[in-house]
Amino acid sequence: GEEVAQTPKHLVRGEGQKAKLYCAPIKGHSYVFWYQQVLKNEFKFLISFQNENVFDETGMPKERFSAKCLPNSPCSLEIQATKLEDSAVYFCASTPQGTTGELFFGEGSRLTVL
Amino acid sequence: GENVEQHPSTLSVQEGDSAVIKCTYSDSASNYFPWYKQELGKGPQLIIDIRSNVGEKKDQRIAVTLNKTAKHFSLHITETQPEDSAVYFCAASIASGSARQLTFGSGTQLTVLP
Repeated sequence: GEEVAQTPKHLVRGEGQKAKLYCAPIKGHSYVFWYQQVLKNEFKFLISFQNENVFDETGMPKERFSAKCLPNSPCSLEIQATKLEDSAVYFCASTPQGTTGELFFGEGSRLTVL
Repeated sequence: GENVEQHPSTLSVQEGDSAVIKCTYSDSASNYFPWYKQELGKGPQLIIDIRSNVGEKKDQRIAVTLNKTAKHFSLHITETQPEDSAVYFCAASIASGSARQLTFGSGTQLTVLP
């Protein structure tokens, strides 16, 4: 598609439950990024993919967070055993290979952990 | 790693006036500096960007300046309109192939008063 599509828009989980978010990048874009936006403003980089391969995962809290981008499937970000501090808006962005580097963001998935 | 500081956190201007938002970065290797606009409930959208081989770039009412020596860059919006009201984020990155991990500033809430 022509837009980065993120689902669900809102997700509510009890502390300790699992949360899974999905992202369909723009068709033809080889790179996918996940960012976490907390407190309405601050963006934290989590992970990036080049096609189905992890490109950079330096921002991922590895003990509970995992992500995948499999061929012919939406990318996913999964949080096992959610904590209150995981409450945030999670943004996915994509960019085509070999361009100026503009990131195209989805509208985000708001995760609320109660 | 890179650290980006952004000021002010909030800015109110009268319609028709100019608005200036300033950012500093810490890593002298950073060479790409985009500005994103985020409207309520939406993902960030690129409005202008500048590379380290350029000192200034303009696009209609929006301009960005870069001072590599001082490691700071600024966004200038002239003849502001109510629809310019949004949160603006600066960012910095080191180009790594086509996958640019952006480090964002903390955002500026711009309000244009009619």
